[in-house]
Amino acid sequence: KAGVTQTPRYLIKTRGQQVTLSCSPISGHRSVSWYQQTPGQGLQFLFEYFSETQRNKGNFPGRFSGRQFSNSRSEMNVSTLELGDSALYLCASSLGDRGRDYGYTFGSGTRLTVV
Amino acid sequence: DAKTTQPPSMDCAEGRAANLPCNHSTISGNEYVYWYRQIHSQGPQYIIHGLKNNETNEMASLIITEDRKSSTLILPHATLRDTAVYYCIVRTDNFNKFYFGSGTKLNVKP
Repeated sequence: KAGVTQTPRYLIKTRGQQVTLSCSPISGHRSVSWYQQTPGQGLQFLFEYFSETQRNKGNFPGRFSGRQFSNSRSEMNVSTLELGDSALYLCASSLGDRGRDYGYTFGSGTRLTVV
Repeated sequence: DAKTTQPPSMDCAEGRAANLPCNHSTISGNEYVYWYRQIHSQGPQYIIHGLKNNETNEMASLIITEDRKSSTLILPHATLRDTAVYYCIVRTDNFNKFYFGSGTKLNVKP
């Protein structure tokens, strides 16, 4: 079956702009989580969506937001981009039931460069 | 939040077993131990997970100590393609949120 698909694969934006990243989870998966990976901070949790609702959130400013659609596809938006937002943004999907030992399947990520 | 401690790097000869340790002394009774690996610039790849029993799949074996305070991931016959950063993660509470530490950079050498 198809894996987690993230688009675009690479992106270059200018400081102050906004950006939208897309993630299509594995068919049947209802949970989508987003992570930011930078050399200095490693992999950090941004937020998780389940059935179109944000279920969990990491410690990121309000410039980072997301949403999930009825088909479980998710988008992540970053407004007023800063140079420090340059990172690999990873999306992961899972079946999403709480209390179960489900792991994640990660996509290949979107490499965002802010100049 | 449950935290894990891993050595920053390890070397292993190709064809030999790679044993990657992880300490998770604050793990709770219902928390699972997961292992993922990340090859440069790719998304992390699931390897294996377990609760308290040892687990084995086609990729690796997971040995969890009886007190569950530590575990070891074993790659039985390491190849050059196993060179990656390996993350040991304890899944916290009931939320689908993983805390990734710094991981162990495994260097498999010919």
